[in-house]
Amino acid sequence: GAGVSQSPSNKVTEKGKDVELRCDPISGHTALYWYRQSLGQGLEFLIYFQGNSAPDKSGLPSDRFSAERTGGSVSTLTIQRTQQEDSAVYLCASSLNGQQETQYFGPGTRLLVL
Amino acid sequence: GESVGLHLPTLSVQEGDNSIINCAYSNSASDYFIWYKQESGKGPQFIIDIRSNMDKRQGQRVTVLLNKTVKHLSLQIAATQPGDSAVYFCAENRGSFQKLVFGTGTRLLVSP
Repeated sequence: GAGVSQSPSNKVTEKGKDVELRCDPISGHTALYWYRQSLGQGLEFLIYFQGNSAPDKSGLPSDRFSAERTGGSVSTLTIQRTQQEDSAVYLCASSLNGQQETQYFGPGTRLLVL
Repeated sequence: GESVGLHLPTLSVQEGDNSIINCAYSNSASDYFIWYKQESGKGPQFIIDIRSNMDKRQGQRVTVLLNKTVKHLSLQIAATQPGDSAVYFCAENRGSFQKLVFGTGTRLLVSP
């Protein structure tokens, strides 16, 4: 597609359940990023994938969070045993080469943990 | 600690006015800066970027100014329109680190 797409657009889950969020980056982009945006806040870096290199997981808030990127394209962010404080908008971005360049964002997945 | 922040959380202007949104950063090693616009319910949209070897860059109706001496970044929007109403974020990239560090955002409200 022309831009970064994410699914689902909205997700409501119960505390303790696992959720999977999907990101389809712009075709040809080798770098993919996940950010989290809490209500009224800026974006918080979670994880970064670049080509076949080991991902930078330095932003993941706990071991309940994990992400993978299959075939260098689609990425899935998994949150296990969700907590209410996980409620946020999860944004995915991609960039061409992972250098200092523009990151293009998707529309986000709005997660609400009840 | 190191941070990227904004001076004004909300800026209200009249249509046709020029808007200036400010941002301060504290890490002198930062060498790449981006301004994003985020409308309600949407992801951030790239507006303009600037590298540390420049002090000014212009786009369509927007200008970014970088003052490395005082670690200050600003976004100027000329002839502001109601469609410019959104939250504006500055973000920095630090050297070899690929992640962007974002400020908390400034809400721009444009009245017709």
